[in-house]
Amino acid sequence: RKEVEQDPGPFNVPEGATVAFNCTYSNSASQSFFWYRQDCRKEPKLLMSVYSSGNEDGRFTAQLNRASQYISLLIRDSKLSDSATYLCVVTTNTGNQFYFGTGTSLTVIP
Amino acid sequence: GAGVSQTPSNKVTEKGKYVELRCDPISGHTALYWYRQSLGQGPEFLIYFQGTGAADDSGLPNDRFFAVRPEGSVSTLKIQRTERGDSAVYLCASSRRGSDTQYFGPGTRLTVL
Repeated sequence: RKEVEQDPGPFNVPEGATVAFNCTYSNSASQSFFWYRQDCRKEPKLLMSVYSSGNEDGRFTAQLNRASQYISLLIRDSKLSDSATYLCVVTTNTGNQFYFGTGTSLTVIP
Repeated sequence: GAGVSQTPSNKVTEKGKYVELRCDPISGHTALYWYRQSLGQGPEFLIYFQGTGAADDSGLPNDRFFAVRPEGSVSTLKIQRTERGDSAVYLCASSRRGSDTQYFGPGTRLTVL
């Protein structure tokens, strides 16, 4: 079983739409959680960390549900520039290893 | 300041050859990670250094892969007897001590013919 599972999509949404991605993880002792964004043929870049209390950064909201072992990312008022692959990342309980999901592809359409 | 740099950006080699991929982390970052990313997949953990030592090399797929970081800064990933299945983008990331935020380099695209 993979450490992290994501729906690869693709998600094609119109500008202004709200879109949500989910990700599940298998190790209940996982320590830290993140969403990274990766543009085509570029390196991943940190979008936001995910905390149990949930956190928001502008149009982006991330939530963690430890009981159900999933994390989510909500993007409101989608922009064309949001088109990218969104990677869910989970660390081990030691914090040494970072496990990436396969990524969810988002295309925002004019 | 300067980010993580990786060289070469592209490497084409023949099956059976030896390759070295270099990573220059952000200055002062003590942790360094190597990942491999195949098309349509997320990055796959290979090895993690804290300072000069490999703190976790459990992600290296087999003994053809080896990585060093002799002075606790630059790291080299070495692949012996390359196989076509080694073709991927090899990503390096670094982070400050005590931080779990990783900063990635642009990657080296390795193609084994």
